[in-house]
Amino acid sequence: NAGVTQTPKFQVLKTGQSMTLQCAQDMNHEYMSWYRQDPGMGLRLIHYSVGAGITDQGEVPNGYNVSRSTTEDFPLRLLSAAPSQTSVYFCASSRRLSSGANVLTFGAGSRLTVL
Amino acid sequence: AQSVTQPDIHITVSEGASLELRCNYSYGATPYLFWYVQSPGQGLQLLLKYFSGDTLVQGIKGFEAEFKRSQSSFNLRKPSVHWSDAAEYFCAVGDPGGGNKLTFGTGTQLKVEL
Repeated sequence: NAGVTQTPKFQVLKTGQSMTLQCAQDMNHEYMSWYRQDPGMGLRLIHYSVGAGITDQGEVPNGYNVSRSTTEDFPLRLLSAAPSQTSVYFCASSRRLSSGANVLTFGAGSRLTVL
Repeated sequence: AQSVTQPDIHITVSEGASLELRCNYSYGATPYLFWYVQSPGQGLQLLLKYFSGDTLVQGIKGFEAEFKRSQSSFNLRKPSVHWSDAAEYFCAVGDPGGGNKLTFGTGTQLKVEL
């Protein structure tokens, strides 16, 4: 089982460039989400999806777009990168347990630097 | 809105010593509670979780955590720390209403002295 796979692991962009961070899971999880991790701030939710065709905003959605055309994939798009988007990005997926709680499985992360 | 506080940014312990990492949460009811660990350059791995029932929960790698409703706390403990436990530890809360929206604390960096 590959679990949650993120690509690329590292990326350097110039201000104003666009790019897509890829996320794929092979566990048939309903839920997928993107977090960013910044020093001293923990992880903050960017966008999430409860199933194919359904997405919603998290705590820090500005500057990011997402779509969920398949159960497996949940790409994160930066339309015009800014230095404030320099961060480590984590994709996570989860299934719904019988209790209604979700346990997240995380990818290894994508480190993005915007110059 | 729910929130999580991890008051200790850095903790240093000697190998073999006991460990307690603090976590306090703010939520209207009893949330779902999690501890994750992150080794350098890695993703987050679930250590343990609390949904309901027994307030002392056991996790992987010899860790345990105790939910105390009266103190809104979910502290992580280990009786004897190993050098390989050096990592960053995150407490998180989730909404029992469902969804995968976890709110994370800012993390505690653990250093283990040999």
